[in-house]
Amino acid sequence: AQSVTQLGSHVSVSEGALVLLRCNYSSSVPPYLFWYVQYPNQGLQLLLKYTSAATLVKGINGFEAEFKKSETSFHLTKPSAHMSDAAEYFCAVTESGSTLGRLYFGRGTQLTVWP
Amino acid sequence: NAGVTQTPKFRVLKTGQSMTLLCAQDMNHEYMYWYRQDPGMGLRLIHYSVGEGTTAKGEVPDGYNVSRLKKQNFLLGLESAAPSQTSVYFCASSHSRSNTEAFFGQGTRLTVV
Repeated sequence: AQSVTQLGSHVSVSEGALVLLRCNYSSSVPPYLFWYVQYPNQGLQLLLKYTSAATLVKGINGFEAEFKKSETSFHLTKPSAHMSDAAEYFCAVTESGSTLGRLYFGRGTQLTVWP
Repeated sequence: NAGVTQTPKFRVLKTGQSMTLLCAQDMNHEYMYWYRQDPGMGLRLIHYSVGEGTTAKGEVPDGYNVSRLKKQNFLLGLESAAPSQTSVYFCASSHSRSNTEAFFGQGTRLTVV
């Protein structure tokens, strides 16, 4: 079974500071991993995904994430936060080789960016 | 290209009333999903469909029914709404492969009073 744990339901950073959002997963088979962003009153938008190619994945808006199998982690980072990054972020996992395509989501991390 | 469109965007129901949420996608995706989002809970899968005419239960299916009569549409029904079904509902669609992106609708905010 798959599950996702996002450490920290709320993260606050100053504009220009490093953003680090943590995600750990459990999966019985090699996973595919995703980060989604949700702006207020919007649907979810894909930031980036890991699908067993390069372990360091670059996404939109300057975000990147590194897949670490030994730590079962897929933490999301951005070197310099911008006010527009304020949103809720969701880590999700699905099974590689699965034909179902369903996602298992973490509980989300609300990112606040202070000026 | 509209992507995934949900109707309606907002709705208030009285306990015991019924309603249907409509999801339409124009990307010719095989797979469609209904999730509910509750504060601090992330998104939980209600039902999903792997193709026209097929549906299956997700994590939290009780109190909901679905139908996929046409490939582009996925309907979520509440036969007798309860306050516990107050939530934001998201529809999503994807290609058949698990490593492809899921596209989400804008959500339906449902309040049951």
